[in-house]
Parts: sequence; structure tokens; C-alpha cells
Amino acid sequence: DAKTTQPTSMDCAEGRAANLPCNHSTISGNEYVYWYRQIHSQGPQYIIHGLKNNETNEMASLIITEDRKSSTLILPHATLRDTAVYYCIVRVGTNAGKSTFGDGTTLTVKP
Amino acid sequence: DTAVSQTPKYLVTQMGNDKSIKCEQNLGHDTMYWYKQDSKKFLKIMFSYNNKELIINETVPNRFSPKSPDKAHLNLHINSLELGDSAVYFCASSQRAGPSTDTQYFGPGTRLTVL
Repeated sequence: DAKTTQPTSMDCAEGRAANLPCNHSTISGNEYVYWYRQIHSQGPQYIIHGLKNNETNEMASLIITEDRKSSTLILPHATLRDTAVYYCIVRVGTNAGKSTFGDGTTLTVKP
Repeated sequence: DTAVSQTPKYLVTQMGNDKSIKCEQNLGHDTMYWYKQDSKKFLKIMFSYNNKELIINETVPNRFSPKSPDKAHLNLHINSLELGDSAVYFCASSQRAGPSTDTQYFGPGTRLTVL
């Protein structure tokens, strides 16, 4: 599975959009980009995933660059409850579970 | 109803003891996992089962033995506990091991402390 690089930490003002970047320059054609988050002391929570196209759900939007070497997770209106560690993972769907979550980005939403 | 549940939530035990952690999912998923999160918050997969069959076994000491009595349950038994086993253990499940179907749902975790 391709390795990902994320900033260690980011701050965001409450009510503003949080844009979390992820680099995955060695991604291969059949690897999906997944985003999870872990709120303190809880189990990781699935947010969104995509292959090539941009994706949106009730939680977030995922923007994948045309060359697929990077992506951005967008939380459109961050709240204090969005403070968490956000993990970007790339992996082949058939290689279920065989992935490392990495260090992630600690997002702190401030009032 | 909790989708993925684990028991116990906390487990404190002495070195050398044997302990088990139980996991159950009521999502009808085919695949279940065990992850370990150490004190540095690094989340690493340990095992994965698909329909009761082991499909992933990362480099984990053989003191750790997963058991899947049915596809809704994946228990983790640990023999001869060591100080380094102290961590939070997360169970997870996904629909099946296939393209774009690997969305994993995690349990609340079991915090194991070995004294």
C-alpha cells in the first residue's frame, strides 16, 4: 500500500472550513483514498473514500487531484466536535485491512 | 444498538496472566479485524478474519491468538501477558474484502494495562 504524508497538526476556527491535505505520490491505479478520524479515546470513525472523482457525503468532501498524488479532506463548517486526529490511508480494496494508519493530522477547532 | 462492541472496556492485569477480549458486530459484515494502538497513538493492524478464516496475520507474537466462532465474533486471547502489551485494542469490521468495500467500523476499544 502507498505511503501517505500528512501535516502533524492544524488549527481551524469554529464555523470555518477545515482543509486537511494528504500526499500519496506513490499511489497506484487501483488504490483508493480513505479518510478516518479518531476523536480522543474513541475508536476510529470512517469519513469518506474515493478513487478518482471528488466525493461528498454528509460529513465531508474529498478532493483528489487529477494525477491522484494528493488529496484534500474538507470539513465545510468545522465545529468543536470535529477536533480529532484525521488519518489518510491509501489501499487496494481487495487488500482489506492490510494498511497502516500512520501518524495522521491532529485538527484542533478553536472557538 | 452498538454496531461493533467490545468487552471489557478496561482490563488491568498482572504480567504472566492470560486474558481475552471479546468483539461482536451486528452489521452482518464478513470481515473483522484487531488493531493495536500503543502509547504513541500509532494504530497497527494485527489480524483480519473473513468469514471465520484468517486472512491477515501481521508480525504479532504467537502469544496472541484470535478466534472467530462465527462471522459476527472475533475474540483475542493473549497468553503470558508482558508489560509491552499495554495498549488500546480496537476491533473493527467491514462488509467484505473487496474493491471499494473496505469501509471499516470500529469498536470503542479495550484499554489493557499490564502491571
